[in-house]
Amino acid sequence: QVQLVQSGAEVKKPGASVKLSCKASGYTFTSFAIHWVRQAPGHGLEWMGWLNTANGDTKFSQHFQGRVTLTRDTTANTAYMEVTSLTSEDTAVYYCARDANSGDWGQGTLVTVSS
Amino acid sequence: DIQMTQSPSTLSASVGDRVTITCRASQSISNWLAWYQQKPGKAPKLLIQRASNLETGVPSRFSGSRSGTEFTLTISSLHPDDFASYYCQQYDTYWTFGQGTRVDIK
Repeated sequence: QVQLVQSGAEVKKPGASVKLSCKASGYTFTSFAIHWVRQAPGHGLEWMGWLNTANGDTKFSQHFQGRVTLTRDTTANTAYMEVTSLTSEDTAVYYCARDANSGDWGQGTLVTVSS
Repeated sequence: DIQMTQSPSTLSASVGDRVTITCRASQSISNWLAWYQQKPGKAPKLLIQRASNLETGVPSRFSGSRSGTEFTLTISSLHPDDFASYYCQQYDTYWTFGQGTRVDIK
């Protein structure tokens, strides 16, 4: 079955960067793009960006353009998201999801930004 | 970018009530609209895709419809397990989510 397993919780200081991972299994990794979605505490779902896992192309929400990098390792079936210049407003759960409209999401990674 | 306007933001209802949530797209998205249910601490769960196609295992009390750029999620008779947050999502051009609707107990 399809699984997306995300890396564990992170605690970062303001100004730092964080790199999250999303390991896919149960399907051909390069056949489906990966989306990243953020959910701040008590808030809704916010789409961050999209990664073409076959060729590495990316597309970002304007809100995150320039501060987020999406990459992948096709040999490890893993997608990565790096967010730089963290502030307290980046405290959130970050989800990866498969671009297949089949409801395949990772379990989420909590990132806490605190001094 | 496509904007999704979802309403209401909060809905208080009782078990057995009929519940309707609406989402309006800022431009045509055809039927590329999904509805998700989310409970605290959990990833969103896909209920409906292509505006009206119920996912396998989702109770038939859930239904979706479309009229132009307006989409509706209906729960015909609210069950205790349905108290949760609901989100619409367009996937015509990348993704955009509505602001969400929290369904709580009246």
